[in-house]
Amino acid sequence: GAVVSQHPSRVICKSGTSVKIECRSLDFQATTMFWYRQFPKQSLMLMATSNEGSKATYEQGVEKDKFLINHASLTLSTLTVTSAHPEDSSFYICSARNTEQFFGPGTRLTVL
Amino acid sequence: GDSVTQMEGPVTLSEEAFLTINCTYTATGYPSLFWYVQYPGEGLQLLLKATKADDKGSNKGFEATYRKETTSFHLEKGSVQVSDSAVYFCALRSAVGSARQLTFGSGTQLTVLP
Repeated sequence: GAVVSQHPSRVICKSGTSVKIECRSLDFQATTMFWYRQFPKQSLMLMATSNEGSKATYEQGVEKDKFLINHASLTLSTLTVTSAHPEDSSFYICSARNTEQFFGPGTRLTVL
Repeated sequence: GDSVTQMEGPVTLSEEAFLTINCTYTATGYPSLFWYVQYPGEGLQLLLKATKADDKGSNKGFEATYRKETTSFHLEKGSVQVSDSAVYFCALRSAVGSARQLTFGSGTQLTVLP
């Protein structure tokens, strides 16, 4: 099946710093990429949907100035958590879709 | 809007026991239905899917049948293994709308004991 990678898999940062998470579709071109957030023992919450070359569409309640999404190419999307705070600590999962939707392995963000 | 209601966990079974995880949905039209599995510390993997009524999705001994009349897509396995321990998510993708994004249930934690 298609492979989606995320980097880093785990990151710990200080409060107030920014963190960038990369999502790559390794063997297919993704017309659409999604970013999800997952709290412990809970389901995935869609944060935003992005199409290559256009601005991301954010879900209600998600701050677009805090969670910057760039979909620079058909194989790469980045999520930047700006001025991170402890409440941003979470598991972030990206997903890429052409005809089917495939998920990355997730990034564990811990903000101290 | 679309929604997925999933059996609450956690579920704990002994090896070789029969597994059922209930899933019902609310959606407009005829959505596609999915089961995803998430192993500890990992992202989601597609387990099986069904795209129209009465379709049966199956993979790795797991099965689920798309029941339009009961709006259900229950996951079953006849004999679970310790390696099946994971969180299982039921999901749907709407048949209408341009985004056609996935809507997930809350997830069910399954633990299989040896």
